Amino acid sequence: DAGITQSPRHKVTETGTPVTLRCHQTENHRYMYWYRQDPGHGLRLIHYSYGVKDTDKGEVSDGYSVSRSKTEDFLLTLESATSSQTSVYFCAIGQGAGNTIYFGEGSWLTVV
Amino acid sequence: GIQVEQSPPDLILQEGANSTLRCNFSDSVNNLQWFHQNPWGQLINLFYIPSGTKQNGRLSATTVATERYSLLYISSSQTTDSGVYFCAVGYNTDKLIFGTGTRLQVFP
Repeated sequence: DAGITQSPRHKVTETGTPVTLRCHQTENHRYMYWYRQDPGHGLRLIHYSYGVKDTDKGEVSDGYSVSRSKTEDFLLTLESATSSQTSVYFCAIGQGAGNTIYFGEGSWLTVV
Repeated sequence: GIQVEQSPPDLILQEGANSTLRCNFSDSVNNLQWFHQNPWGQLINLFYIPSGTKQNGRLSATTVATERYSLLYISSSQTTDSGVYFCAVGYNTDKLIFGTGTRLQVFP
């Protein structure tokens, strides 16, 4: 299994509060991704990173920011959580286009 | 952007049966991957298959890029095959677009 750790695994937070999810990898993969999974939508890309301090937006980036200060860590921040951001968040890593990607175990976030 | 459709949305099988899952995509791709999400939510990469055919045990996949579809075959299904199967595609990018999945339930 790819060495990917997501934290926290489960979180309940209140509307309007900031939340940060962390993805940590031990594989030294260049690319890291954050997806969200919702019923009826499959997985949708929020943001991704193609290197330290290099990030780009995905399909559903509004309301989210990311940072990557080290190869092994990719942080996803909800500046002011809303109920529509209740979801399961998956981190993934890969070597870039033409390569398989590997997922972490997911973080369940509930915004009340 | 590329649209991805998977069929059927749901599939119920008895152990030992065979099945075929389909993934149609709307534009050219050079990156196509199949994933299995088990009932505990874990996502496992099954195949990286932008074209051609691959086999891994009871699972095999075929992608016909010129006709814009991919098929995942599961033979002699087992209860551990239950879960959701996702197809994901991309073209000259590492931003994969996922289909909405096929939910498979295998009963003993």
